[in-house]
Amino acid sequence: DQQVKQNSPSLSVQEGRISILNCDYTNSMFDYFLWYKKYPAEGPTFLISISSIKDKNEDGRFTVFLNKSAKHLSLHIVPSQPGDSAVYFCAASPNTGFQKLVFGTGTRLLVSP
Amino acid sequence: AAGVIQSPRHLIKEKRETATLKCYPIPRHDTVYWYQQGPGQDPQFLISFYEKMQSDKGSIPDRFSAQQFSDYHSELNMSSLELGDSALYFCASSQTGNSYNEQFFGPGTRLTVL
Repeated sequence: DQQVKQNSPSLSVQEGRISILNCDYTNSMFDYFLWYKKYPAEGPTFLISISSIKDKNEDGRFTVFLNKSAKHLSLHIVPSQPGDSAVYFCAASPNTGFQKLVFGTGTRLLVSP
Repeated sequence: AAGVIQSPRHLIKEKRETATLKCYPIPRHDTVYWYQQGPGQDPQFLISFYEKMQSDKGSIPDRFSAQQFSDYHSELNMSSLELGDSALYFCASSQTGNSYNEQFFGPGTRLTVL
């Protein structure tokens, strides 16, 4: 039972354009949502997060949007850079504290020069 | 800034052997999590510890055990290894009370069971 889904296994974008990565979830108990970036042979690197009481959070080139009624969130990267090429995981957690993260299946982003 | 340290980075074992993976969390982080990532899969939660006590348990086989020590480092012990245990094992740490449950991951240990 995949509670967090990333339906696009891959995405190709040109440098300078916007990258939009999508994530859907089914568990209405999730309160916190996080995006991680992962390079091969490395651990996931935390990028940005959002709580269910917000609908947008920005950090530099990265913006996360949350539509709680649709149980959908997206990560926007603008402008995209070749160094952004990696696998991006969406993750969710019920609430703060020592709660496990439930990960999506990941989207491989390729940004070409 | 200090990050999560995992050792060893790579480990090759035979079936039915045992393995011990170590994790050193970021200083002042009080919670440690273990995740397993199989080939082409998303990370799956195994177990977590808060202040040296087990705080949550996921799909961890009975052949596996873990603990967190007084210095907050954690060890994942795996016995009677099976071929299916071959995976990347990540440790993550967090500090209680952080805003959105941000967990910071180590580089992982790649376990290969032959």
